[in-house]
Amino acid sequence: DAGVTQSPTHLIKTRGQQVTLRCSPKSGHDTVSWYQQALGQGPQFIFQYYEEEERQRGNFPDRFSGHQFPNYSSELNVNALLLGDSALYLCASSLVVGTRFDEQFFGPGTRLTVL
Amino acid sequence: DAKTTQPTSMDCAEGRAANLPCNHSTISGNEYVYWYRQIHSQGPQYIIHGLKNNETNEMASLIITEDRKSSTLILPHATLRDTAVYYCIVRVDPNTGFQKLVFGTGTRLLVSP
Repeated sequence: DAGVTQSPTHLIKTRGQQVTLRCSPKSGHDTVSWYQQALGQGPQFIFQYYEEEERQRGNFPDRFSGHQFPNYSSELNVNALLLGDSALYLCASSLVVGTRFDEQFFGPGTRLTVL
Repeated sequence: DAKTTQPTSMDCAEGRAANLPCNHSTISGNEYVYWYRQIHSQGPQYIIHGLKNNETNEMASLIITEDRKSSTLILPHATLRDTAVYYCIVRVDPNTGFQKLVFGTGTRLLVSP
């Protein structure tokens, strides 16, 4: 049973460019959340998708957008990259209904470096 | 979400119990205490959670004070592989819909031989 997978593992971009990160949830999960983790900090919640709609959003600008596909996989898009967007981007999947509690399973992350 | 405070770092000898404290003095009655850990270069991993009773699973034990203002995560026999950053998180009833995790900076636990 595959866990949460993310691609790519590492990515280098320059300021002003756009980037797309991908996530496949754990088998059987229907909800995907994205987090940004700057060096030395805890992960910060970006947004959460369920049934292809954004359900919750953290304090991130509109440059950060996402999408969820019918197969529950998800993409995170960041436009007009800034140096401060350099971080580890984590995807977490969970099941909204039918579970005793909402344990979130995290992927290994995508390390984004903006030059 | 209620805020938590944890020590920045802790050391533990291999084979000994590691006791990681967490203060959550503003916790509400419907908020649970969750613990996650993050081993270097990996995503966070769920450890345990509880409401007001002490909890134990194959990874750890969680002791919550009677007033629920603090808790302690116990790793009974720490190994080198337990070296990680440990996050204490409080969140509302996980069965009430869409949830997010609010991470602090956590406690960096170093287990030494």
